[in-house]
Amino acid sequence: GENVEQHPSTLSVQEGDSAVIKCTYSDSASNYFPWYKQELGKRPQLIIDIRSNVGEKKDQRIAVTLNKTAKHFSLHITETQPEDSAVYFCAARKSSSNTGKLIFGQGTTLQVKP
Amino acid sequence: GAGVSQTPSNKVTEKGKYVELRCDPISGHTALYWYRQSLGQGPEFLIYFQGTGAADDSGLPNDRFFAVRPEGSVSTLKIQRTERGDSAVYLCASSLMGQGEGYTFGSGTRLTVV
Repeated sequence: GENVEQHPSTLSVQEGDSAVIKCTYSDSASNYFPWYKQELGKRPQLIIDIRSNVGEKKDQRIAVTLNKTAKHFSLHITETQPEDSAVYFCAARKSSSNTGKLIFGQGTTLQVKP
Repeated sequence: GAGVSQTPSNKVTEKGKYVELRCDPISGHTALYWYRQSLGQGPEFLIYFQGTGAADDSGLPNDRFFAVRPEGSVSTLKIQRTERGDSAVYLCASSLMGQGEGYTFGSGTRLTVV
């Protein structure tokens, strides 16, 4: 069945360092991969997404890379700041699906220490 | 409205009772999704509406769960004979395009079954 594995479950970095979160997906038909940030007690918010026809996408300090052959994609945050502390979720959508169903990973709790 | 609105924000109910959770999507968004998020987990897909119709209800765990969207705007998730295992945050999201892209999540309803 469809599955998305996310690692690590927790990540602690020093302010200014980089953080990398990795996800693997099981369904090779997946073609859309969003990342969400969820602060404690708040709603998940889309921070960046990538489609399968692109290998990398960058938005200021955030970038996502996709390796379709290996079926994994990663979130890269550079120059981390304390306000980056949150839970990050990756997700994948199957291309053959016209429903918009997203399969989410288990989440990574990122802590940025000042 | 300006965002996706969910009511109530918190709901405590006794085991066996019936509950209704409401979602008011962003005006003009034809796609609406319900997800369930258990503590420490990623959101889990329940159902997707395109307009008034449920295009994909494959995530509803059993026949105690039902959702409607009679006028293509507000949606209600209904849970009969609630069980303690139903306790979770129920998230609603809407998007303009469907296909799982451009989700905006609501703040969720925290359901506690005692």
